[in-house]
Amino acid sequence: EVQLLESGGGLVQPGGSLRLSCAASGFTFSSYAMTWVRQAPGKGLEWVSAVSGSGDGTYYADSVKGRFTISRDNSKNTLYLQMNSLRAEDTAVYYCAKDNQHLWLVRFSGDHFDYWGQGTLVTVSS
Amino acid sequence: DIQMTQSPSSLSASVGDRVTITCRASQSISSYLNWYQQKPGKAPKLLIYAASSLQSGVPSKFSGSGSGTDFTLTISSLQPEDFATYYCQQSYSTPRTFGQGTKLEIK
Repeated sequence: EVQLLESGGGLVQPGGSLRLSCAASGFTFSSYAMTWVRQAPGKGLEWVSAVSGSGDGTYYADSVKGRFTISRDNSKNTLYLQMNSLRAEDTAVYYCAKDNQHLWLVRFSGDHFDYWGQGTLVTVSS
Repeated sequence: DIQMTQSPSSLSASVGDRVTITCRASQSISSYLNWYQQKPGKAPKLLIYAASSLQSGVPSKFSGSGSGTDFTLTISSLQPEDFATYYCQQSYSTPRTFGQGTKLEIK
């Protein structure tokens, strides 16, 4: 059974940092790209970042580029999101999700997010 | 970025009804369109991928169609557990983008 378990959320002041983790099990972690999607309170879904299965390709939404860093440790079956220079508008539930493909293609991908974690809440407030 | 627009934003229906939700892309995305269901306080769940392929384990009362810029999600014979928010999402290009969601409520 595929399981994704996020952790690391919490309350942080504007300008602060936080690192989210997503522990994966039930599938060959290194064989699949992974992604982070967030949802602000009462709002819709926003794709944040993705990483290829090998970790050598990383992709970001413009809203987080230069502030967030996605990475993965395939030996630990864990996905990370390092979030720096946090802003109030980063307040959201952050979900990690498994992609159905190994590579993350910028165009013509046809991929989908077939499994999601339960989410971890990040609150940026003073 | 490709903008995804869903209609309606909310929808009231009764148990047993058949409903259709529409998703329109700001440019052609071929068939690179996925649908997710989200219940309050829960993670999204994949229903349909590649516009019309049913995800494993998802009941056949969910169906998707369309290509290019216009897509539909149809749910037949609504049951209480189907009342949720539905999102479309394009996987044609990065950044991946979602529609704003359609909240399906019980009438």
